[in-house]
Amino acid sequence: AQSVTQLDSQVPVFEEAPVELRCNYSSSVSVYLFWYVQYPNQGLQLLLKYLSGSTLVESINGFEAEFNKSQTSFHLRKPSVHISDTAEYFCAVGFQKLVFGTGTRLLVSP
Amino acid sequence: NAGVTQTPKFRVLKTGQSMTLLCAQDMNHEYMYWYRQDPGMGLRLIHYSVGEGTTAKGEVPDGYNVSRLKKQNFLLGLESAAPSQTSVYFCASSYSGSGSYEQYFGPGTRLTVT
Repeated sequence: AQSVTQLDSQVPVFEEAPVELRCNYSSSVSVYLFWYVQYPNQGLQLLLKYLSGSTLVESINGFEAEFNKSQTSFHLRKPSVHISDTAEYFCAVGFQKLVFGTGTRLLVSP
Repeated sequence: NAGVTQTPKFRVLKTGQSMTLLCAQDMNHEYMYWYRQDPGMGLRLIHYSVGEGTTAKGEVPDGYNVSRLKKQNFLLGLESAAPSQTSVYFCASSYSGSGSYEQYFGPGTRLTVT
């Protein structure tokens, strides 16, 4: 069985500040790891994924996440956020079936 | 490609009424999923399908039924709606050929049961 913990339900930051959204998981087998983003009143979109290989993965809009096997973490980071990054972010683990965390709402203010 | 579409976008039901939510995908994906999203609980898997004619229970299947008669469609039914089923429902699809089982989501259906 797998589980995902996103400890922060809400993270407020100022524009151009760095941010880290935390994700810890547990699994008895190797799994794939994902970050999805949900903008208001929309469905989820894939932000980035870790399958194997390099533990640092990047998205096209400046986010990155690092897979840490020893700490069973897959934290999401961005060095400088924009107002448009305001959204809810979900960490997920699995293969054919995914288990999602409860989400972290990122609130970026000017 | 339209991707994953869901019908309807909004619905209000009275307790005890029934309804069917339709999910359609035009990407020829093998796998399809129904989730519900509730505040503070993330997404929870209701039912899923690994191919035409097959369905399986997810984490929260009680009160729901599904059918996948055609590869591109996945229907979610509520036989007797209850207020606890007030939620936002998302459909998703994926395929093994991508190597990652990346899931593609529809825009959601907001259901209110009074």
